Amino acid sequence: DAGITQSPRHKVTETGTPVTLRCHQTENHRYMYWYRQDPGHGLRLIHYSYGVKDTDKGEVSDGYSVSRSKTEDFLLTLESATSSQTSVYFCAISAGLVQEETQYFGPGTRLLVL
Amino acid sequence: EDQVTQSPEALRLQEGESSSLNCSYTVSGLRGLFWYRQDPGKGPEFLFTLYSAGEEKEKERLKATLTKKESFLHITAPKPEDSATYLCAVYIQGAQKLVFGQGTRLTINP
Repeated sequence: DAGITQSPRHKVTETGTPVTLRCHQTENHRYMYWYRQDPGHGLRLIHYSYGVKDTDKGEVSDGYSVSRSKTEDFLLTLESATSSQTSVYFCAISAGLVQEETQYFGPGTRLLVL
Repeated sequence: EDQVTQSPEALRLQEGESSSLNCSYTVSGLRGLFWYRQDPGKGPEFLFTLYSAGEEKEKERLKATLTKKESFLHITAPKPEDSATYLCAVYIQGAQKLVFGQGTRLTINP
């Protein structure tokens, strides 16, 4: 257990509405990540953070923004949700001092956009 | 293009029947290969990290090995509780990201 929680765990929303997902960690790890998991695509990186207010894009970042104002929290925002953003979203942290060290995942948020 | 391919997509075994899962990769610079287990409705659970060809790691009935082009996850005398999807991921030098395979869905019948 890497001390990662995600909220909400399930959410149903309508197309065009903003949605924010929260990832919280308890152990002050530097690196945090947001992934989405879809059938046929596996896990894909959306955004990641390497410190407070330091973030960068992943391979599927269009339509998503992130913020990290505190070490322990990493927020993922869908500014205007679309049906293509229906997915399971996972937060992860790197437990080491360098980015390529092992990533540990949270329990996930299941998002349905109608 | 960096790519990670897992095979087979699905595997059904009888309890006690040993087998291997494959993860082959074509990447520009490997900095680590990771195996995860994922149960339905849950997040991936870390199993192993391998960094160099020839390296092996073991945990209970699982053993992971690494060559220059692929990794194997050997499962010996599996039990029904080993049923899960097994994910392989590669950390690519300079790309600052993990690239995941599609996973192998393993079912162990009692």
